[in-house]
Amino acid sequence: AQSVTQLGSHVSVSEGALVLLRCNYSSSVPPYLFWYVQYPNQGLQLLLKYTSAATLVKGINGFEAEFKKSETSFHLTKPSAHMSDAAEYFCAVSVSGSSASKIIFGSGTRLSIRP
Amino acid sequence: KAGVTQTPRYLIKTRGQQVTLSCSPISGHRSVSWYQQTPGQGLQFLFEYFSETQRNKGNFPGRFSGRQFSNSRSEMNVSTLELGDSALYLCASSFSIRQTSSYNEQFFGPGTRLTVL
Repeated sequence: AQSVTQLGSHVSVSEGALVLLRCNYSSSVPPYLFWYVQYPNQGLQLLLKYTSAATLVKGINGFEAEFKKSETSFHLTKPSAHMSDAAEYFCAVSVSGSSASKIIFGSGTRLSIRP
Repeated sequence: KAGVTQTPRYLIKTRGQQVTLSCSPISGHRSVSWYQQTPGQGLQFLFEYFSETQRNKGNFPGRFSGRQFSNSRSEMNVSTLELGDSALYLCASSFSIRQTSSYNEQFFGPGTRLTVL
């Protein structure tokens, strides 16, 4: 079965500092991996996705993530945090080759930005 | 292109009542999925419809049901509401070429916030 684990339910960084949100996945077959962002009272927006092409994936708003098979990780990073990055972030997994409309989400990490 | 729309955005019901939520997918998208989001359980998959047929189902009781119409619009129904059904219900649509296909990106609506009193 596929699953994702997000380390840290809440991360706080200073404006301008590096953002690092951790995600580890479990999958018996090559996975599709995603990061979504959710702002208050809104739905989910796709930040980036890994679909077995390049291991370093660049997304919107300056975010990127690196797929590391040896570590079963897909951590999300941004070099310099902005106040507008404050939101909840979800790592998610789906499995290639199946009817992949069922996405399994991690428990989420709330990102706070200190002025 | 208009995004995924969900109606209503907010809903208050009492225990024992039933509720119907509506989702209009992005034009051309044939797959609609529903998710329940609660502080305690996080985001959980309810079910997915493709071409008016339920293609996937999560681990929810039979009180939760759905359907999809020929124009791909989907409705979700919850009967005999319980306090624990209070949640944000999210709908997502994607473009699927055939019934079993590899991953297609899902686009989420803003959700319907259901409060059960």
